[in-house]
Amino acid sequence: GAVVSQHPSRVICKSGTSVKIECRSLDFQATTMFWYRQFPKQSLMLMATSNEGSKATYEQGVEKDKFLINHASLTLSTLTVTSAHPEDSSFYICSASISDYGYTFGSGTRLTVV
Amino acid sequence: GENVEQHPSTLSVQEGDSAVIKCTYSDSASNYFPWYKQELGKGPQLIIDIRSNVGEKKDQRIAVTLNKTAKHFSLHITETQPEDSAVYFCAAKGNTNAGKSTFGDGTTLTVKP
Repeated sequence: GAVVSQHPSRVICKSGTSVKIECRSLDFQATTMFWYRQFPKQSLMLMATSNEGSKATYEQGVEKDKFLINHASLTLSTLTVTSAHPEDSSFYICSASISDYGYTFGSGTRLTVV
Repeated sequence: GENVEQHPSTLSVQEGDSAVIKCTYSDSASNYFPWYKQELGKGPQLIIDIRSNVGEKKDQRIAVTLNKTAKHFSLHITETQPEDSAVYFCAAKGNTNAGKSTFGDGTTLTVKP
């Protein structure tokens, strides 16, 4: 089946540094990927939609300069959290569109900013 | 935009009993309704889905029903097992909205042995 590999699974970084999270589609081409943020015991909050070869579309209230998304190839999308602060600590999840309807999710990245 | 409401937020059942989680949606244009299971510290995994041209779908112990008129759909888990314990999310998606899904707030299911 369609698999999305997300790395790293956990990362701890210092305040002010940047962190890059990668999502790779392993056995299919993902023209569209979605990035979510999830707070403890809450639902998934869509941050942005990335399309291969074009600029990402950000949801209202999401700072595009802080959460940089790059989807340079059909198998790789990256989310970079720039100048991270403790309030950016969260669980970040990507998903890839695998058909007109279905999605497959990555395993998530637990980011802790200290 | 689409609004999805999910109930209950928590559900505790005895092993072997059935569990039912319900979701309602607002956009009549939505035509795809997946259910995801999320275990602690992991990404959501699709467990079953249904499209708007079908009223019911079953896969072993899991079934989903859809009532398009009332705009609600439900997840049914029979003969629950402790490993079914997780957070379950429903979602609704239409052809519009750039392919985005709207998720419910999740249901924490606990199956007691």
